[in-house]
Amino acid sequence: EIVLTQSPATLSLSPGERATLSCRASQSVSSYLAWYQQKPGQAPRLLIYDASNRATGIPARFSGSGSGTDFTLTISSLEPEDFAVYYCQQRSNWPSTFGPGTKVDIK
Amino acid sequence: EVQLVESGGGLVQPGGSLRLSCAASGFTVSSNYMSWVRQAPGKGLEWVSVIYSGGSTYYADSVKGRFTISRDNSKNTLYLQMNSLRAEDTAVYYCARDHRAIGYYFDYWGQGTLVTVSS
Repeated sequence: EIVLTQSPATLSLSPGERATLSCRASQSVSSYLAWYQQKPGQAPRLLIYDASNRATGIPARFSGSGSGTDFTLTISSLEPEDFAVYYCQQRSNWPSTFGPGTKVDIK
Repeated sequence: EVQLVESGGGLVQPGGSLRLSCAASGFTVSSNYMSWVRQAPGKGLEWVSVIYSGGSTYYADSVKGRFTISRDNSKNTLYLQMNSLRAEDTAVYYCARDHRAIGYYFDYWGQGTLVTVSS
């Protein structure tokens, strides 16, 4: 089973700042990686798939990059609604696995 | 509009059973891969099970032999039959669509239903 590690566990930033979240895989997942956003009491929401493709309706301030074992989610300028937990997910190998999450909170 | 609505969660004793339902609208369940994903209180996400459009089913090792995923095409509904429940199965259970057009990532999720296993 592929293990995903996310860093940092918590990121404290102010609105308007740039957020950079990392996801590292225990072995190569090629580009088969997604990012999800989850707010308290809500279901996860797909942001990015195949490492760098924005899902339908996702604002351009969200971008993804990386391949192999190292991936990054960047939020170029944080909006108040972006404070949430972010999970990465791989579907390169069965079973699909998720990272433990990065919480982006307000500084 | 695509919607997924789960139901069937609740409090059950260890060793008990529960059946979750996920009613879909706006698309056809049987034409898609559909999964169950769970989230223990305050924890991360864990994939549980998938049913392919062709009917094949797969399970996480943690639930294999105890959970059964199925669908009713006439009702456009996905199910998860959970038997021999354990305390560690306590979680919010989400159904999600694995969308072929974007490489089988989870593009739509239900609101979740809470399963609590406790005596």
